[in-house]
Amino acid sequence: NAGVTQTPKFRVLKTGQSMTLLCAQDMNHEYMYWYRQDPGMGLRLIHYSVGEGTTAKGEVPDGYNVSRLKKQNFLLGLESAAPSQTSVYFCASSIRTGNVNEQFFGPGTRLTVL
Amino acid sequence: RKEVEQDPGPFNVPEGATVAFNCTYSNSASQSFFWYRQDCRKEPKLLMSVYSSGNEDGRFTAQLNRASQYISLLIRDSKLSDSATYLCVVNGDSGAGSYQLTFGKGTKLSVIP
Repeated sequence: NAGVTQTPKFRVLKTGQSMTLLCAQDMNHEYMYWYRQDPGMGLRLIHYSVGEGTTAKGEVPDGYNVSRLKKQNFLLGLESAAPSQTSVYFCASSIRTGNVNEQFFGPGTRLTVL
Repeated sequence: RKEVEQDPGPFNVPEGATVAFNCTYSNSASQSFFWYRQDCRKEPKLLMSVYSSGNEDGRFTAQLNRASQYISLLIRDSKLSDSATYLCVVNGDSGAGSYQLTFGKGTKLSVIP
């Protein structure tokens, strides 16, 4: 099992460019999440999905869109990148058993917007 | 906004030392509590869940005090390999928020020879 994988690992964009980050998991997890991590801010939830075809906003959704067309994939889109979106982006997935909710993270995508 | 507060550190301790991390959370309805570990430039990984009765996993002991909304992690006999950032994590309340996690900003630990 590869677990959670993310593509690409690194990317540099110019302000106004668009891009899509791909997250894939092979654990048959229902729930998937996109976070960003900035120095001194901790992990913040951007968007999440509780199943194929469903998405919802997290804490910091502005400037991002997501899609979950297949259960194993969760895409994060930046339509018009801004320097404030320079960050490390982590995807995660989980199942739910009672109140336990271990999230498994991908290796991250380091994005710089110039 | 629901908050999880941690001492950012860094904690610099010698090998073999015992070190304790503390965390407070603001959402009294939270049901699940965790410690995650994050190595430099890597993804977070679950270290251990935290149960009301307290739990131990080798050199690691986690405690939860619901009345005070306080979580702790104790590491005994520190190893160089324990150097990392430790994230206190709390889930939301019941219903739609219960599978969302709120992460503390992390406490950095450096174990020195």
